[in-house]
Amino acid sequence: EAGVTQSPTHLIKTRGQQATLRCSPISGHTSVYWYQQALGLGLQFLLWYDEGEERNRGNFPPRFSGRQFPNYSSELNVNALELEDSALYLCASSFAGEQFFGPGTRLTVL
Amino acid sequence: EDQVTQSPEALRLQEGESSSLNCSYTVSGLRGLFWYRQDPGKGPEFLFTLYSAGEEKEKERLKATLTKKESFLHITAPKPEDSATYLCAVQAWDSGYALNFGKGTSLLVTP
Repeated sequence: EAGVTQSPTHLIKTRGQQATLRCSPISGHTSVYWYQQALGLGLQFLLWYDEGEERNRGNFPPRFSGRQFPNYSSELNVNALELEDSALYLCASSFAGEQFFGPGTRLTVL
Repeated sequence: EDQVTQSPEALRLQEGESSSLNCSYTVSGLRGLFWYRQDPGKGPEFLFTLYSAGEEKEKERLKATLTKKESFLHITAPKPEDSATYLCAVQAWDSGYALNFGKGTSLLVTP
């Protein structure tokens, strides 16, 4: 069974630009979660999507947004990039209970 | 506010030297406590979920236990391939299904 996939693997942007990150969940999973793992801060919850709707968001500004498509894949958009947005962005999917993570997208903001 | 504290931050063991990692938590209402393993530059790999005090789960050389205030991850006779960062996360009833992670314990097992 294929796991959670994320693209791209690496993304380099400059300050002020926009970044789009993509996630495909495990087949049969309807929930997608986004987390940010910045150096020294640990994993922090960003957003939760279920059945196409945003269900919950963490303590992040509105320039972090996303959506979930009818096939349950998801997109995370980060507008007006700042240097401190440099981090590993992790996507996880679940059907009920355990969350299974993808390999992440490394975003570097210069 | 929910809090998760893991200790120690780093642990170095000789191959075969058993030890335990600690995860202390405060949460308004615990839905579940999760353990993950993360290798450098990769996504976390799911290990265990514990739901109630007294529950224990085992997988190969790992055993997770849960009390009302903390969880332990016991590593028996570790091997170098057990070297990784071990993450603990709690899921509260009032936070939907979001996971609140600790900062992890970095484990190094030397031959």
